[in-house]
Amino acid sequence: AQTVTQSQPEMSVQEAETVTLSCTYDTSESDYYLFWYKQPPSRQMILVIRQEAYKQQNATENRFSVNFQKAAKSFSLKISDSQLGDAAMYFCAYPGTYKYIFGTGTRLKVLA
Amino acid sequence: GAVVSQHPSRVICKSGTSVKIECRSLDFQATTMFWYRQFPKKSLMLMATSNEGSKATYEQGVEKDKFLINHASLTLSTLTVTSAHPEDSSFYICSATSGLAGGNEQFFGPGTRLTVL
Repeated sequence: AQTVTQSQPEMSVQEAETVTLSCTYDTSESDYYLFWYKQPPSRQMILVIRQEAYKQQNATENRFSVNFQKAAKSFSLKISDSQLGDAAMYFCAYPGTYKYIFGTGTRLKVLA
Repeated sequence: GAVVSQHPSRVICKSGTSVKIECRSLDFQATTMFWYRQFPKKSLMLMATSNEGSKATYEQGVEKDKFLINHASLTLSTLTVTSAHPEDSSFYICSATSGLAGGNEQFFGPGTRLTVL
């Protein structure tokens, strides 16, 4: 069965510091995507970053990068130079054949 | 591009009435639309998947007769909560995919907060 696990219900980071959110998943597929979504207090889901499994290079989007380890089925999100606007719920998602499999989310607090 | 809208953003209704929520893809044709429900501080819970012109596929435990989904066109899906009760109060989110984006990326609407009195 396809599963996504986020083991950190809540994380805190000092402004301008770096934080890493963890995500592990399980699938028998060899070619797939993985996504990180951000849900700020407005509750609009925003795609932060995506990774294609066949690409060995880790995806980066400005201050956001991932550490993708396919063999370990790990897909962590690193946020550098954290800003107050980064405070949100973060969801890891695996797009299954017919539907997304979401993790339970990590609430990120950014401390001024 | 890839914008999804939802209407209304907030709705308050009396117990026993029905409420309709619209989800529109504004700049692309959505082959598939999804309806989620989200409780406070929880993840998104998929309620149903709908394809244009066909019946929706409901997740286990979701009452088909209570949550009516219609996907009449490639840009519009509606969720009707029939005979709403206070326990139906929640945040409802729709998403859509064109099937063209990598990984069948879903584009999310801003959500609708339903309060049933």
